[in-house]
Amino acid sequence: EAQVTQNPRYLITVTGKKLTVTCSQNMNHEYMSWYRQDPGLGLRQIYYSMNVEVTDKGDVPEGYKVSRKEKRNFPLILESPSPNQTSLYFCATHRYIAWGDAEWAYGYTFGSGTRLTVV
Amino acid sequence: SQQGEEDPQALSIQEGENATMNCSYKTSINNLQWYRQNSGRGLVHLILIRSNEREKHSGRLRVTLDTSKKSSSLLITASRAADTASYFCATVRGGYQKVTFGIGTKLQVIP
Repeated sequence: EAQVTQNPRYLITVTGKKLTVTCSQNMNHEYMSWYRQDPGLGLRQIYYSMNVEVTDKGDVPEGYKVSRKEKRNFPLILESPSPNQTSLYFCATHRYIAWGDAEWAYGYTFGSGTRLTVV
Repeated sequence: SQQGEEDPQALSIQEGENATMNCSYKTSINNLQWYRQNSGRGLVHLILIRSNEREKHSGRLRVTLDTSKKSSSLLITASRAADTASYFCATVRGGYQKVTFGIGTKLQVIP
């Protein structure tokens, strides 16, 4: 079954304690992205990756790091989490990096989300 | 501000009625997509409409796009309780296909 798997599903941590949220996909998709979702603000892109070893900042990258050492994995790293990073996080993938109209008919595939609370 | 802004932010209707949600955006786009999100879960892609299209149908979904007004609408006909969810528009623009999501419309369908 084609899927995007995020772990953990829920996480409560303390300020300053480094954490990693994992994202893995089994669809051989080139493009992967991280979003955070906050009430009243919708989804905002944190980082994205066009392919292995190619990553770039989204709209709200401060306080986050990513890596793309393998095509299937795109972990999100919070080196020193703060309470304002409490949010619902989603990993999303797409099969192409240069998308024509036909390819976009597929849309993004999202993971189930990680609810992070930083106290 | 958000590229895509949905209106209304919340909508409550009776089962069987039609639900209409609107999305406005500010810059030119390549295409516009609608997604659905059940509470706290990942978004699911529903339908895409290209910038040169005006209307598209998929099952009980009908999407329109007016590029002159920079707006789109999503119509769900004959709504069901299972349609209860949040609906997001996402605009795609730029050579590298930047995707921006709106804030969403929370739809409640009352049985």
